[in-house]
Amino acid sequence: EVQMVESGGGLVQPGGSLRLSCSASGFTFSGYSMHWVRQAPGKGLECVSAITHNGGSTYYADSVKGRFTISRDNSKNTLYLQVSSLRPEDTAVYYCAASGALYGADGYWGQGTLVTVSS
Amino acid sequence: EIVMTQSPATLSVSPGERATLSCRASQSVSSNLAWYQQKPGQAPRLLIHGASNRATGIPARFSGSGSGTEFTLTISSLQSEDFAVFYCQQYNNWPGTFGQGTKVEIK
Repeated sequence: EVQMVESGGGLVQPGGSLRLSCSASGFTFSGYSMHWVRQAPGKGLECVSAITHNGGSTYYADSVKGRFTISRDNSKNTLYLQVSSLRPEDTAVYYCAASGALYGADGYWGQGTLVTVSS
Repeated sequence: EIVMTQSPATLSVSPGERATLSCRASQSVSSNLAWYQQKPGQAPRLLIHGASNRATGIPARFSGSGSGTEFTLTISSLQSEDFAVFYCQQYNNWPGTFGQGTKVEIK
């Protein structure tokens, strides 16, 4: 059974940082591109970062470029997102997602972790 | 960035009826188009990839069509469990952009 479990979310002040993690099991993690997709309360979906199966290439939405860093450890089947210089507009549920395609079409999703940026 | 536009924003349908959802891309995305279903409090679920290929375990009442800039998701006979928000996503270019969603509600 495929499982993806995010952790690391929480309440943080503007300008603060967090490290989100996504632990995966039940599929060949090292064979998949991985994505972080966020959803602000009551809003739609935004893919904010992607990483190739081997970690060789990373991608960022303009809205987070320079502030977020995606990485992965295939030996631990874990995906990470370091989020820094947080803004109130970064408040969202952050999902990790897996796909055979580089830029989307994610067949596997975690349950999400909520990041709230507020003073 | 490719802009994805979905229509209508809300679709009111009776159980057993057919639902047709549209998605338009601001430039060609070939067949690199996915559809997702999202229910309240849940992660999205992949329904369709490659514009017309059902994902594993997705019932045959869900079908996708189109290529280039115009795409359609059809639900042939709506079941009670199908009422949700549906998103299209292009994954031809980075970032993989989503439409704003179509809410399918019970009429």
